[in-house]
Amino acid sequence: DTGVSQDPRHKITKRGQNVTFRCDPISEHNRLYWYRQTLGQGPEFLTYFQNEAQLEKSRLLSDRFSAERPKGSFSTLEIQRTEQGDSAMYLCASSLRGPTGELFFGEGSRLTVL
Amino acid sequence: GENVEQHPSTLSVQEGDSAVIKCTYSDSASNYFPWYKQELGKGPQLIIDIRSNVGEKKDQRIAVTLNKTAKHFSLHITETQPEDSAVYFCAASITTDKLIFGTGTRLQVFP
Repeated sequence: DTGVSQDPRHKITKRGQNVTFRCDPISEHNRLYWYRQTLGQGPEFLTYFQNEAQLEKSRLLSDRFSAERPKGSFSTLEIQRTEQGDSAMYLCASSLRGPTGELFFGEGSRLTVL
Repeated sequence: GENVEQHPSTLSVQEGDSAVIKCTYSDSASNYFPWYKQELGKGPQLIIDIRSNVGEKKDQRIAVTLNKTAKHFSLHITETQPEDSAVYFCAASITTDKLIFGTGTRLQVFP
């Protein structure tokens, strides 16, 4: 399977702990995106990268959130000192810059903060 | 900033009937309008998109229409099938880099 892969698929943690999610995009895609989706809502944009450069961050991305894409390939999203309100599905997507701009989403990493 | 409203939130149709989902957007600068289908436990998947220089686009049983003056766009699914059952999201964007999604429509197609 050469789609977007995310790991882990599910994470249960206690409030105050740190968690890290990994995203491996489609190999030739230079753009990578993180979205957050809560139950019954549409995905909300968090941040995106073009190659290794982080080009935009949403105001939703508080200081406790950090994302990296060190070599322009995989990306990590770290949440420090988790809170119950962080419970959500974290979706990663990638695209190849061009006329279509289609975003290909992974299956997401579901975070539950107890 | 951009805001996208979507309705209805749930839609039930009989197999073979048509389904219509409507969205409105707030930012007149938006020029890209994709529709995504999300099945249970999976990420959203693009099913059709339209750009502001086009009023209508069709792909087999799926069509999207755009009214820039009224700032609304719609998804039309004809001859619905049980496998069309899913949550559908509209989105709007000035570029394809940052999509603003609607709240979703849960479509159920009954055999």
